[in-house]
Amino acid sequence: GENVEQHPSTLSVQEGDSAVIKCTYSDSASNYFPWYKQELGKRPQLIIDIRSNVGEKKDQRIAVTLNKTAKHFSLHITETQPEDSAVYFCAASMTGTASKLTFGTGTRLQVTL
Amino acid sequence: GAGVSQTPSNKVTEKGKYVELRCDPISGHTALYWYRQSLGQGPEFLIYFQGTGAADDSGLPNDRFFAVRPEGSVSTLKIQRTERGDSAVYLCASSLMGDGDEQFFGPGTRLTVL
Repeated sequence: GENVEQHPSTLSVQEGDSAVIKCTYSDSASNYFPWYKQELGKRPQLIIDIRSNVGEKKDQRIAVTLNKTAKHFSLHITETQPEDSAVYFCAASMTGTASKLTFGTGTRLQVTL
Repeated sequence: GAGVSQTPSNKVTEKGKYVELRCDPISGHTALYWYRQSLGQGPEFLIYFQGTGAADDSGLPNDRFFAVRPEGSVSTLKIQRTERGDSAVYLCASSLMGDGDEQFFGPGTRLTVL
């Protein structure tokens, strides 16, 4: 089955700096890669996703890049703000009956003033 | 409209007891997923329903775990003979068609087995 690895496990940046979180996946058939943000005690919420037919997607301060050949994808947050502090999870899935999400182990992002 | 809801929000039970966890998906969503999240970990897939049928139950850890979705809407996750290792947050998610659509998560049920 699919295996997703995520690094780093913790990340501390100063407000205004950029943050990068990286994930690798094992199953070349995976074609959908969402990123979720989870605040303490809250539900995971989708912040951005990318499908395998594109290499990059951007939404304001957040961008995701995908390298299908290397089977890795990354989340980039620019101009970080204190409210970006949370745990971020990457995930991978396929379309169809195998649409379950396989999650990484999470990255705790701390944005300091 | 309303998001995914789950009840109860917290459940404390004793080892060996039976529990039921309920999920109300977003209206009109045909796909429903159950995940389990242990402390400090990412959600782990349990089972996926497409309509009333379980399309993928490969994540259920053993035969103590069972889930139903009889009318293609509300789903119930049932755990028999609970063990302390079952303690976790059980998350439900739904998506419109289940075919790589965005999955919307509920707030979860925190299960504690004493």
